[in-house]
Amino acid sequence: RKEVEQDPGPFNVPEGATVAFNCTYSNSASQSFFWYRQDCRKEPKLLMSVYSSGNEDGRFTAQLNRASQYISLLIRDSKLSDSATYLCVVRKAAGNKLTFGGGTRVLVKP
Amino acid sequence: EPEVTQTPSHQVTQMGQEVILRCVPISNHLYFYWYRQILGQKVEFLVSFYNNEISEKSEIFDDQFSVERPDGSNFTLKIRSTKLEDSAMYFCATGQTANYGYTFGSGTRLTVV
Repeated sequence: RKEVEQDPGPFNVPEGATVAFNCTYSNSASQSFFWYRQDCRKEPKLLMSVYSSGNEDGRFTAQLNRASQYISLLIRDSKLSDSATYLCVVRKAAGNKLTFGGGTRVLVKP
Repeated sequence: EPEVTQTPSHQVTQMGQEVILRCVPISNHLYFYWYRQILGQKVEFLVSFYNNEISEKSEIFDDQFSVERPDGSNFTLKIRSTKLEDSAMYFCATGQTANYGYTFGSGTRLTVV
């Protein structure tokens, strides 16, 4: 089983719509969780950390379910500029390596 | 916004040659990492470096790879004898503390021919 699994997509989303997708992780000892965004042939950029209670940053909402070992990301009011690959990332402990999922591709269309 | 700077942006090298990839971390960052991404694949961890020593490395990071921070600022990745399968995007990442996400540089695209 892969350490971090994501639906590769693509998710085709009309502009202004809401899109949500999940990621599952296999290591129950994982402590930290992140969503990164990656544009084509660019570096990953931190979108948001994911906290146990769930958290929101503008149009983006992240949730963590430790019991089922999954993380979700919801994007409201999608913009054309939200088109990217969203990378689910987990870390076992502070300072340790980041383990990346393969990414979920989102295409927002007018 | 502070940046992690990587040079060169693109390097083409012949198989068997040595390459050195360079990274200038954000100035107050203490944790340093190298990752790579083969085209179309996921980002993979290579090595982490803290307090002037390797703290963790992956199976990919074999004897052909080495890292150092020679002058207290640059953080380098050396591949001694490149192979075709080393062709990838190499990302340097740095972190100020151990607790937050890391900042990635814009990468070096290495092409081995």
